[in-house]
Amino acid sequence: EVQLVESGGGLVQPGESLRLSCVGSGFSVGGYWMSWVRQVPGKGPEWVGSTKPDGRDNDSVGSMKGRFTISRDNAKSSLYLQMNSLRVEDTAMYYCVAHGLRSNWGPGTMVSVSS
Amino acid sequence: VLTQTPLSLAVTPGQPASISCKSSQSLPDDNGKIYVYWYLQKAGQPPQLLIYEVSNRFSGVPERFSASGSGTDFTLKISRVEAEDVGVYFCMQVVGGLSFGGGTKVEIK
Repeated sequence: EVQLVESGGGLVQPGESLRLSCVGSGFSVGGYWMSWVRQVPGKGPEWVGSTKPDGRDNDSVGSMKGRFTISRDNAKSSLYLQMNSLRVEDTAMYYCVAHGLRSNWGPGTMVSVSS
Repeated sequence: VLTQTPLSLAVTPGQPASISCKSSQSLPDDNGKIYVYWYLQKAGQPPQLLIYEVSNRFSGVPERFSASGSGTDFTLKISRVEAEDVGVYFCMQVVGGLSFGGGTKVEIK
């Protein structure tokens, strides 16, 4: 069964850091572009950034650029999101998505930033 | 940018529903594939895939769901809405990165 499972979320204070992980199974993670997507409860999804299959050209976008870094370890079928200098507005559910993979999304991992 | 309409839809069970997703740019054809997807997100759940590559129903998706489109215009149709179809529908395109429609909330009258 094709599956993506995110983990690593939690409650942190503004300015702190967090590292999210995503493990894929049932398919070859290394063959896909991978992205992180976030969704504030009650709002639509927002693309965080993506990484090529070879791990190069990792890029986050918008307000996350320079604070969020995407990486991957294809040998471990894993994708990571290092989030630094977290802000209250980064509070959201975070999902990993494999481009072109015919699959439901994983359960996501919730990040809450609050003082 | 993906513009999705309508924002909300109240449908009588058994009646059809249609949701539009318009792209600000014509989507490229990558080896015969256009990467437009449709998802349904039920309350408190992650998105579930309905349609992949414009018009292909995902495994287990009822036949009452269909989709079509090309270029900049894409449409999801439900032939006869059922109570279990309530939730937020959104389109997604894969062109380099990911873009999302704003979502359409479907509820039962």
